[in-house]
Amino acid sequence: NAGVTQTPKFRVLKTGQSMTLLCAQDMNHEYMYWYRQDPGMGLRLIHYSVGEGTTAKGEVPDGYNVSRLKKQNFLLGLESAAPSQTSVYFCASSSRVRAGGPTDTQYFGPGTRLTVL
Amino acid sequence: SQELEQSPQSLIVQEGKNLTINCTSSKTLYGLYWYKQKYGEGLIFLMMLQKGGEEKSHEKITAKLDEKKQQSSLHITASQPSHAGIYLCGADMGSGGSNYKLTFGKGTLLTVNP
Repeated sequence: NAGVTQTPKFRVLKTGQSMTLLCAQDMNHEYMYWYRQDPGMGLRLIHYSVGEGTTAKGEVPDGYNVSRLKKQNFLLGLESAAPSQTSVYFCASSSRVRAGGPTDTQYFGPGTRLTVL
Repeated sequence: SQELEQSPQSLIVQEGKNLTINCTSSKTLYGLYWYKQKYGEGLIFLMMLQKGGEEKSHEKITAKLDEKKQQSSLHITASQPSHAGIYLCGADMGSGGSNYKLTFGKGTLLTVNP
């Protein structure tokens, strides 16, 4: 099993350009997440999905869009990149929450390092 | 204010020394997850704690959740250079079964000098 994979690993964009980050998981997980990690800020949730065809906003959704057309894939789009979006982006996935229990463990991809000039 | 506080922010220890990292919340933690991250890499899951007073160990790393379920500690015994990295705690602060999001601490950077 590859677990959670992300493409690309690195990317440099100019202000105003667009791009899509791809996350794929082979664990048949229902839930998928996109985070950004910035120095001194920790991990912040951008968007998440609780199933195929569903998406929801997280803590810092502005400037990003997402789609979950297939259960195994979760795409993060930047329509018009800004320098403030320079960050390391992580995708994660987890299985369905057990009734009455805490959320299941989230498994993370290796990250995409994005620089916006 | 940060919902999940980690301390210390950074830690430098000599190889062979023991160390403890703390993760504290003002709210009840329904699940507490410890991860390790090496520079430039993703987060690796270490352990998950759910019950008050629970303790889990893996090799030389032990994690505990206090009885009130508001504080967790990660203890490394006889540290090695391979333990170096960033340790993050993540917590489910929902009402159990209805929340699938985790809140993360800012991380503790551990350096182990040979």
